[in-house]
Amino acid sequence: AQTVTQSQPEMSVQEAETVTLSCTYDTSESDYYLFWYKQPPSRQMILVIRQEAYKQQNATENRFSVNFQKAAKSFSLKISDSQLGDAAMYFCAYRSARGETSGSRLTFGEGTQLTVNP
Amino acid sequence: DVKVTQSSRYLVKRTGEKVFLECVQDMDHENMFWYRQDPGLGLRLIYFSYDVKMKEKGDIPEGYSVSREKKERFSLILESASTNQTSMYLCASSLLLASSGNTIYFGEGSWLTVV
Repeated sequence: AQTVTQSQPEMSVQEAETVTLSCTYDTSESDYYLFWYKQPPSRQMILVIRQEAYKQQNATENRFSVNFQKAAKSFSLKISDSQLGDAAMYFCAYRSARGETSGSRLTFGEGTQLTVNP
Repeated sequence: DVKVTQSSRYLVKRTGEKVFLECVQDMDHENMFWYRQDPGLGLRLIYFSYDVKMKEKGDIPEGYSVSREKKERFSLILESASTNQTSMYLCASSLLLASSGNTIYFGEGSWLTVV
């Protein structure tokens, strides 16, 4: 079974600075997807960024980028130019790329609460 | 936009009561999921369904059951609520094929307190 670990329960950053959230995972599969989700106080889960394991290039979405190290099974999220609206719980998640139905599920890490200080 | 709607945002139920949490999605998604979110534990999968009347257990199915009679609706049932089922429950949906990396969309969550 796959596991996802976020070792930082809480992080803080000054507005306009850069912060990196860590995530490691364990899997025996070679093809999979990795995600970062943001959960603001409203509790609505919002997809931040997605990475396909077969792609060597790190995904980027505006101020959000990832450092995907497949051999190390590491998937960190970098937030540049942090804004007050970035304050939220961030979850790292894994999804198999297998075609059968059991591969459709997301496995989540414990979450990292990010505080942005003005 | 995909919309996943959970009918109740906040519920307070008594120990032993039967509880229904309802979820509806409007994008004809095959997959639907029920997760439970607790501090320090992240989101844990209770059950999921990949088709009408089909269901599979997730990581923590004990004390829960589900029903999917129509494609757009997925219900989570607590047959006899207990205080350790006090939690935030999140419903989600996606298209069927995992291999295409389809995004999973979430509802806004249902806060359940069992007293």
